[in-house]
Amino acid sequence: GAGVSQSPSNKVTEKGKDVELRCDPISGHTALYWYRQRLGQGLEFLIYFQGNSAPDKSGLPSDRFSAERTGESVSTLTIQRTQQEDSAVYLCASSPQGQAYGYTFGSGTRLTVV
Amino acid sequence: QQQVKQSPQSLIVQKGGISIINCAYENTAFDYFPWYQQFPGKGPALLIAIRPDVSEKKEGRFTISFNKSAKQFSLHIMDSQPGDSATYFCAASTSNYQLIWGAGTKLIIKP
Repeated sequence: GAGVSQSPSNKVTEKGKDVELRCDPISGHTALYWYRQRLGQGLEFLIYFQGNSAPDKSGLPSDRFSAERTGESVSTLTIQRTQQEDSAVYLCASSPQGQAYGYTFGSGTRLTVV
Repeated sequence: QQQVKQSPQSLIVQKGGISIINCAYENTAFDYFPWYQQFPGKGPALLIAIRPDVSEKKEGRFTISFNKSAKQFSLHIMDSQPGDSATYFCAASTSNYQLIWGAGTKLIIKP
């Protein structure tokens, strides 16, 4: 596609429920990143996928967070047993060949846990 | 060593003035320094970037100044306009995948 597409754009969920967020990267971009951005805060790295290599999960805040990516296409970020502190905008970015200068972000999914 | 420190946290500038946002880093292996602009409800978008072999890069009203010896770089917005009101992030990277981000600066341009 022309840009990075994320869905849903907004998600309200009850505390304790599981949520799944989706990211469609730019076609041909082999690298995909997930970030979390709390209200008025900077970008918090969560996870990085590059081709068929093992993902870098070093930013995932707890074992309630997991992410998958099929090949070089769609990725899903799953948050289990959501907590109120999970409320944030979850941003996805992709880049060609994992190079920093090709970073392109989607518009994010705003998650609200009530 | 991996941090990028950005200041100020927020900035108010009169229309037509110059907006200046600063970033400092420690890791001398960084070789790519982008600035991103983020409007409410949108993801950050690349604004301008520089590599350490030049001291300045200009694109329209936006200029990056880079001081390798001081390990600092800054974004200057000339003739600031209300449409420039956004959050600005600096970042830095080595030639790998990981961009290290500053904390962001919320810029407000007063008409």
